[in-house]
Parts: sequence; structure tokens; C-alpha cells
Amino acid sequence: QKEVEQNSGPLSVPEGAIASLNCTYSDRGSQSFFWYRQYSGKSPELIMFIYSNGDKEDGRFTAQLNKASQYVSLLIRDSQPSDSATYLCAVARGATNKLIFGTGTLLAVQP
Amino acid sequence: KAGVTQTPRYLIKTRGQQVTLSCSPISGHRSVSWYQQTPGQGLQFLFEYFSETQRNKGNFPGRFSGRQFSNSRSEMNVSTLELGDSALYLCASSSDGQSYGYTFGSGTRLTVV
Repeated sequence: QKEVEQNSGPLSVPEGAIASLNCTYSDRGSQSFFWYRQYSGKSPELIMFIYSNGDKEDGRFTAQLNKASQYVSLLIRDSQPSDSATYLCAVARGATNKLIFGTGTLLAVQP
Repeated sequence: KAGVTQTPRYLIKTRGQQVTLSCSPISGHRSVSWYQQTPGQGLQFLFEYFSETQRNKGNFPGRFSGRQFSNSRSEMNVSTLELGDSALYLCASSSDGQSYGYTFGSGTRLTVV
């Protein structure tokens, strides 16, 4: 079992729809959770991080964390073609910079 | 404010050779982490340096090593290169040891032939 699992996709959504990206993790000691976006040929860029159960909103993005279910998700509202990228989920055990990444979900937003 | 700078951007090496990659973090950042990214395995943590000390290490063989200098610049070395070492090597920096997420550099694309 991989430590961080994501559906590789592609996840295809029409422009303006809500894109829902999901991630599960196996280490119950994980305390920090991150979403990165990676455009083809580019390096990952941080979208959001979340530490506490519940929702965290930042503009069109909402991260959701459920530690009991070991599940973290990212919702993208009003999806735009420019959101088309690979979304990487990452977790860390404690306050550490050792991030364990999932293999990413490819999102394709259709105009 | 300059971002994380990695050099060189591209590198072609022969199996058995060694290679050194360089990373200059964002000014003021003391933590530098290195990752290997391949299509099959995704992003895998190599190691983290903080104030010139290796603080975390991933599950890579001893051929992979690194160091950090007093100005926070970091180098990563891979000895006795294997074909499977072909990958994008990413460096990331953060201001301190707290896990608020970090900023990645553009990476060094290493091809071993």
C-alpha cells in the first residue's frame, strides 16, 4: 500500500464546474497536508496546506481534511481551463519538511 | 525576491560517472530539501538540510549525498550513476523547520546514458 494514494485520472470537468480531487494516506501520525499544482514541464507550486479537521477555503479552492478517515480533498470551484494541471497531494508527519507525495491526479478542464 | 535557483537545468551523463547539482534557496531560507521526480514513482524525498545539518533522509542508496553551506546553498551529489537515476531533481526551500510547505526550484533534468 502506498503511503499517499491519488487517482491518476485524468479527471475531466467542464469549464465552470466544481472539480473534486481526492487523496488518502496510510500514516495516522500524519499531521500536515498539502496540495501542490504542477503544470506540464514545470515545478510544483503550493496551493494550500491544512492541519486541522474540517474545511479551509482560499479563493476558489477548498481543502477538506478528515483525519479519522485518513482522507484529504481539494475542491476547485468555477474551474477554468488554466486549472488544467496535475494536482499533487502531500503529507508530513509532524512539523517536518519531509513530505510524502502522491503520484498526482491529472485534471483537464474542458472549455 | 529571487526564487529557488537550480543549476544546471539540463545534464547528460554517462553511466558510472558522478554528478553534482546545485541549489540556491530563497534569500533568508535556511531549509533546503531535495526530491527526485520520475514518471513511475512521482516525487520522492531525498534529504533535507537545515543550517548545514542533514535533518531528514529518504530511502535512497548512499550514492546520493548532499551538503549545505553556511550561506544555505546546497549541493546534491550522485556517484556511480545508473540509468535509473535519470529524473528531474527538484530542490525546495523554506524559511525554517516548520512544515508550511515550501517553494520549489525549476529543477535539474538529469539524463544518464
